[in-house]
Amino acid sequence: DAGVIQSPRHEVTEMGQEVTLRCKPISGHDYLFWYRQTMMRGLELLIYFNNNVPIDDSGMPEDRFSAKMPNASFSTLKIQPSEPRDSAVYFCASSLAGGRETQYFGPGTRLLVL
Amino acid sequence: ELKVEQNPLFLSMQEGKNYTIYCNYSTTSDRLYWYRQDPGKSLESLFVLLSNGAVKQEGRLMASLDTKARLSTLHITAAVHDLSATYFCAVSGTYKYIFGTGTRLKVLA
Repeated sequence: DAGVIQSPRHEVTEMGQEVTLRCKPISGHDYLFWYRQTMMRGLELLIYFNNNVPIDDSGMPEDRFSAKMPNASFSTLKIQPSEPRDSAVYFCASSLAGGRETQYFGPGTRLLVL
Repeated sequence: ELKVEQNPLFLSMQEGKNYTIYCNYSTTSDRLYWYRQDPGKSLESLFVLLSNGAVKQEGRLMASLDTKARLSTLHITAAVHDLSATYFCAVSGTYKYIFGTGTRLKVLA
């Protein structure tokens, strides 16, 4: 298996622009997680899905952030409008059976908002 | 609310020395995970510990779990420079994972 795939790997944008991050989970995994990692705040869970349905979005920082999972093999995290404080590494991860099985992380998207 | 604490947060050690990283968690959980993150890279799964008394070993790393004490340890034996990384423990919550703050390990030659 190719593992969790994320795109783009790097994104540089200007404040106010829309940013869309993409994720393809491991085939057969029914849980998908979006995390954000910064030096100041560490690793934060933003939202997770089970069978394409958002289960817990309490970690989404603001209404500027939204996430969708239209099918089992694709998810997006969108920031609109972006702000400099959104600069971070965004990871997507997937697993079988939620916390009951090992979670596998994608390579991450390094986002810089100028 | 399930909370996970790791200590130390930073660890600088000499090659050849032994050391232990501790992971404490606040409520009952029967699965604990250890991950490694190299600078600028993603998180890589190291171990999953499934029951009280479980012990897993890979090379110079050995992880153990005491569910009664709500404690897991990651023991490093005869450290080498290649082990320099950040190590995270994570506990299974309800359908999700609660991560510790990470321990940044630097092994000095």
